[in-house]
Amino acid sequence: EPEVTQTPSHQVTQMGQEVILRCVPISNHLYFYWYRQILGQKVEFLVSFYNNEISEKSEIFDDQFSVERPDGSNFTLKIRSTKLEDSAMYFCASRGRQGTEAFFGQGTRLTVV
Amino acid sequence: AQSVAQPEDQVNVAEGNPLTVKCTYSVSGNPYLFWYVQYPNRGLQFLLKYITGDNLVKGSYGFEAEFNKSQTSFHLKKPSALVSDSALYFCAVRAADSSYKLIFGSGTRLLVRP
Repeated sequence: EPEVTQTPSHQVTQMGQEVILRCVPISNHLYFYWYRQILGQKVEFLVSFYNNEISEKSEIFDDQFSVERPDGSNFTLKIRSTKLEDSAMYFCASRGRQGTEAFFGQGTRLTVV
Repeated sequence: AQSVAQPEDQVNVAEGNPLTVKCTYSVSGNPYLFWYVQYPNRGLQFLLKYITGDNLVKGSYGFEAEFNKSQTSFHLKKPSALVSDSALYFCAVRAADSSYKLIFGSGTRLLVRP
C-alpha cells in the first residue's frame, strides 16, 4: 500500500540552527501539507501546497518557515532559525485529486535544545 | 470559524464491549468529517470519512461513525472493542466549499482493558 514517508524520524538541533524536514508524498498525489503536534496538544495545520505554490498557511507559518518541492517527489519544510517552541512532531500529508482524505506520514520529532 | 470538540480526554471500555468516542463540530456549509487513529510513536492513520450519502459510514478495523446533522456530531463506534484498539483517536473536519486544511479535535485516548 502506498504511504507517505518522512525523514528523519527524530532530529535534535540547537536553537537558532536551520532544519529541513523531508517528506516523500504518495506518488500520484497533488496536494501536500505540513501539520505539527506539540507534545500533549492538538494537531495543528501549518501549510498546504498545490501546483508548486502555497495555497494556504496558518498564522504559525511565519517567515521562519518555508516549503519546497524541489524535484517532483520530495516535499520539504525548512525552519530557518529554530526556537525552543518549535519542538514538536511534524507530520507531512498528501491527498489525491479525487480523494478527499489526506494520508499522513509517521512524523518527524523535532527537538530544539 | 471551524472547530471540533472531543469532550472526553479518555474512554475506558472492557474488551468485547461496544465503544463510542464522541465528536461534535462547527463548520459553515456542508462538512467533510474524518476520524484518524494514532498509535504510540506512529503517524496518523485514516479510519473513515463522511462526505455525503448514508449517515452511517464504515471504515477500517470494524469502526463506524454516525453523522448527525441536527446534533452536529460524528461519533466513532465499534460494536466489540479489542485491546489492540487502544490508541489516540482524532476527529477532524473541513468545510466542503473552503480550504483543504483539516481542523482536528484535541484527541481522545481509548483504553480497552482485557
